[in-house]
Amino acid sequence: DAGVTQSPTHLIKTRGQQVTLRCSPKSGHDTVSWYQQALGQGPQFIFQYYEEEERQRGNFPDRFSGHQFPNYSSELNVNALLLGDSALYLCASSTISGSQETQYFGPGTRLLVL
Amino acid sequence: DQQVKQNSPSLSVQEGRISILNCDYTNSMFDYFLWYKKYPAEGPTFLISISSIKDKNEDGRFTVFLNKSAKHLSLHIVPSQPGDSAVYFCAASGIGRSARQLTFGSGTQLTVLP
Repeated sequence: DAGVTQSPTHLIKTRGQQVTLRCSPKSGHDTVSWYQQALGQGPQFIFQYYEEEERQRGNFPDRFSGHQFPNYSSELNVNALLLGDSALYLCASSTISGSQETQYFGPGTRLLVL
Repeated sequence: DQQVKQNSPSLSVQEGRISILNCDYTNSMFDYFLWYKKYPAEGPTFLISISSIKDKNEDGRFTVFLNKSAKHLSLHIVPSQPGDSAVYFCAASGIGRSARQLTFGSGTQLTVLP
């Protein structure tokens, strides 16, 4: 049973560029969430996708956008990159069980903005 | 405003002894709590969770305790093993729409000494 997969594993970009990160959820999961983890901090929620729509969004600017495909995979797009966008980007997948979700994380994409 | 706090950035324990990791939260709307373990260069791995209707949940060597009146939870690992050395994150989610995002603490680095 494949877990959550993400690509690429590492990425180097320069300020002002745009980046796309990809995620495939765990088998049987229909919901994908994205998190940003800066060095020495816990992950911060960016947004969540369900049924190909953004269902909830954290406190991130519009430069961060996403998409979910019919097969439940997802992309995170970041435009006009800033140095402060350098971080580990984590994708998590889930499905509702009762009233609660347990999210399972992928290995992450390490983004460095120069 | 940190809604989930892990006040100990690091903890060292001898192999075979008990490890106790602590977490405090401020948002009384949180009703589901999770612990994740993270090794370097990997994504967080789900360990154990607890619903607010319980005060204890056990899974093998891992037990989570929840004290709602104190807004405090703890993770006990007995016995501790060198392979448990990792960063441990406490996370919380609410009900309804806020069940969709996890709010993380900043993590505790656990080192189990052989």
